[in-house]
Amino acid sequence: AQSVAQPEDQVNVAEGNPLTVKCTYSVSGNPYLFWYVQYPNRGLQFLLKYITGDNLVKGSYGFEAEFNKSQTSFHLKKPSALVSDSALYFCAVRDKRRSGAGSYQLTFGKGTKLSVIP
Amino acid sequence: NAGVMQNPRHLVRRRGQEARLRCSPMKGHSHVYWYRQLPEEGLKFMVYLQKENIIDESGMPKERFSAEFPKEGPSILRIQQVVRGDSAAYFCASSPPGLAFTGELFFGEGSRLTVL
Repeated sequence: AQSVAQPEDQVNVAEGNPLTVKCTYSVSGNPYLFWYVQYPNRGLQFLLKYITGDNLVKGSYGFEAEFNKSQTSFHLKKPSALVSDSALYFCAVRDKRRSGAGSYQLTFGKGTKLSVIP
Repeated sequence: NAGVMQNPRHLVRRRGQEARLRCSPMKGHSHVYWYRQLPEEGLKFMVYLQKENIIDESGMPKERFSAEFPKEGPSILRIQQVVRGDSAAYFCASSPPGLAFTGELFFGEGSRLTVL
């Protein structure tokens, strides 16, 4: 079984400061890892993914995430937060092994609400 | 290139009625996933379909819920005899087939069901 934990329900950060949204995961094999963002009353938008290779992944809107295998973490980061970054952020995992139909589904964390304060 | 299209965006039903939610995947995508988002919760997987086949329905409630993805036309999530607890946002996502699939799903804007 695969699972994702986002330990913070809410993160508040001042505009211009760096931000971090935490995510840890659990899978049987090697993971595909994803971050999505959801604005109010909208669908999820893909931000970035880790498949293989460089542990630091760069994505949309200046976001990046660092894959840490030993800590089973995939924290989302941005050097300088914008008010427009305020949204709900979801981390998701998928097991790379095609061990059956279930391996195609993404498992999402509960989400972290990011509020950037002007 | 249109994205994933869901309709209706908002649906209000009284208890006991039926709700039908439709999803057209992105062009070239043949895999469809339905997720449910309850208030203050994350997304829960419901069902994964390919054309004319249900691949994984492990997240679907055993009763009242069904899904299909016919050879022609959109995927449909059907909820019979709705109850207040069915009130949620239902998201459809799609992905391309086979080796083109690297994991990320493309989501629609969601259908928000309110049961009175």
